Order: sequence, then structure tokens, then C-alpha cells
Amino acid sequence: QQQVKQSPQSLIVQKGGISIINCAYENTAFDYFPWYQQFPGKGPALLIAIRPDVSEKKEGRFTISFNKSAKQFSLHIMDSQPGDSATYFCAPSYQKVTFGTGTKLQVIP
Amino acid sequence: DVKVTQSSRYLVKRTGEKVFLECVQDMDHENMFWYRQDPGLGLRLIYFSYDVKMKEKGDIPEGYSVSREKKERFSLILESASTNQTSMYLCASLAGGSTDTQYFGPGTRLTVL
Repeated sequence: QQQVKQSPQSLIVQKGGISIINCAYENTAFDYFPWYQQFPGKGPALLIAIRPDVSEKKEGRFTISFNKSAKQFSLHIMDSQPGDSATYFCAPSYQKVTFGTGTKLQVIP
Repeated sequence: DVKVTQSSRYLVKRTGEKVFLECVQDMDHENMFWYRQDPGLGLRLIYFSYDVKMKEKGDIPEGYSVSREKKERFSLILESASTNQTSMYLCASLAGGSTDTQYFGPGTRLTVL
């Protein structure tokens, strides 16, 4: 599990602000870089994912930025909303998925 | 709509009891997984199965066993529950290789007294 480091552990953002969560990895063989979102009482669900041949992917308010040379990828949530309050996991994979330790995001009105 | 169901949302057991957690998926997926989720540790893989009657150890298999007699069902067994196995247990399924989406059940919160 040490091969994936996710930060910060928790994050409080005001409504309308930008939330940024980072994931650093060691295994250069990883070839798929998803972020999962988990609401209280629910299992994680895929939010957005990127492959290493692109540096950025945007879906609505959610963007993944990928830096292959730095072995990092991040999740940006623009115009954060209270409904985005959840725990977020990065989960890079190559043959096997390795989950980060999670970031608890709280968006306050 | 894809669905992964787990037999119980909450479970309370006593130390030494044998515990069965069941997971069923309706997507005809080959691969199924059991994770435990603990604060600050994220999701840790206990066991996975890539076919009926096939199983592989994950990162933390000690104290657990699994059974997969049918494609849609994957069971996690705690032979003799201990207090350090108090946790949230999540089941997931996946159709193809690791680059496909994992679909998770709602989780079972197990408390061992």
C-alpha cells in the first residue's frame, strides 16, 4: 500500500471553491488511473479515470491532471458543492488495483 | 443497472464465532473481490477470485478464507472472529482486466465483541 500516497487526508472547502486531491505512486507499470467517490453508507463508485497517454481529462466539474514524469495524478473539483462531500480514493492499477488511503472532503455552504 | 449486494449491512458477533459474509453480483462478472476499509488505511484487498472455485490471496488474507461455488456469489469467511477484524467489509466485482470499473456493494459493518 505504501506505493500509493494520497493527500490530504481531509479537506474542507467552501461552496464554489476548488477542491484538489493528489495521488503519488511508485509503480511505473500502472496504466489506468481512476478516482472513486464514496458517500457515507455506500460503496465506492467510479468517478473519473484517465489513461497515461493523455495529461488531462475533464468531465463536468471534475478534472484529472496526470503528470507521468512526476508519477502523480490529481483530482480537481471546480465549483465545489455540498453534494460533493464524500471520501475520494485514487486507485491506480496494472493487473491489480491499489487504492490510496482516501481523502474526506467536506464542502461547507 | 449493475448491482452488487451484500447479505448484511450491520453485523455484531462475539470473539471466536465463525462469520460468513456473502456477496452476490448480477453482471456475470468473472472477477470478484473482498476488501476491508479502515480509517486512514483506505481499502485493503483480502482475497479475490477470477473464476468459479478459483481464489487468490490479497494483501491481508490472514484470518480469512473465501468460497466461490457459483459465478455470481463470493463468500468471505472468518473462521474464528477476533476484535481486530472489526471493520467495514466491501465486496466488488469486475468484468475484465484491471482497467475496467470495479462495482462495489454497500458494505457490511462488522463489529466483533
